[in-house]
Amino acid sequence: GAVVSQHPSRVICKSGTSVKIECRSLDFQATTMFWYRQFPKKSLMLMATSNEGSKATYEQGVEKDKFLINHASLTLSTLTVTSAHPEDSSFYICSAREASGRSYEQYFGPGTRLTVT
Amino acid sequence: SQQGEEDPQALSIQEGENATMNCSYKTSINNLQWYRQNSGRGLVHLILIRSNEREKHSGRLRVTLDTSKKSSSLLITASRAADTASYFCAQGAGANNLFFGTGTRLTVIP
Repeated sequence: GAVVSQHPSRVICKSGTSVKIECRSLDFQATTMFWYRQFPKKSLMLMATSNEGSKATYEQGVEKDKFLINHASLTLSTLTVTSAHPEDSSFYICSAREASGRSYEQYFGPGTRLTVT
Repeated sequence: SQQGEEDPQALSIQEGENATMNCSYKTSINNLQWYRQNSGRGLVHLILIRSNEREKHSGRLRVTLDTSKKSSSLLITASRAADTASYFCAQGAGANNLFFGTGTRLTVIP
């Protein structure tokens, strides 16, 4: 149980275009989802916390107009990288916490590798 | 930054040996969690230790927590080649957010 999927797993886009990444909890409901980015051989940096039905909370230094987050249902959150630039190339990982969560455990998706050319 | 630090950054051992990774963090925590990441993949939750716990076991994993020193350690006993991965500690400061450490890249040589 507690499976989180991400789509796409890899995407290559041209500079200036927008890319949408989906994060789905497959077998549980998630009131809260999290978006991280990870540079090669580095740690995960929390970008934003996404709560179903409300606006996302962004970490300091993360541009909310550039990284649009929508959490429209209890099983789906999307991250849209708008007007992508090469420096946005990274590994984006989402995680989800169960709505009925009795623990603090987060379940992570497999990640999406974004390359902006 | 709330990011914790792990040491060593990289660790290479022979199969069968034990691997110990240490994590130091900066803020008060509700819990501390350890995750594993294979190259280019998502994270797998290994173990969670609450702030009022000092030690926890799960299979070949042993985690300790010293809140007075703001540190934790992960011990993998009888390592296997399949344990090769990056290991991250993550501070659970509240009900939601996790702040990850810098990670330790473990290589287990068969």
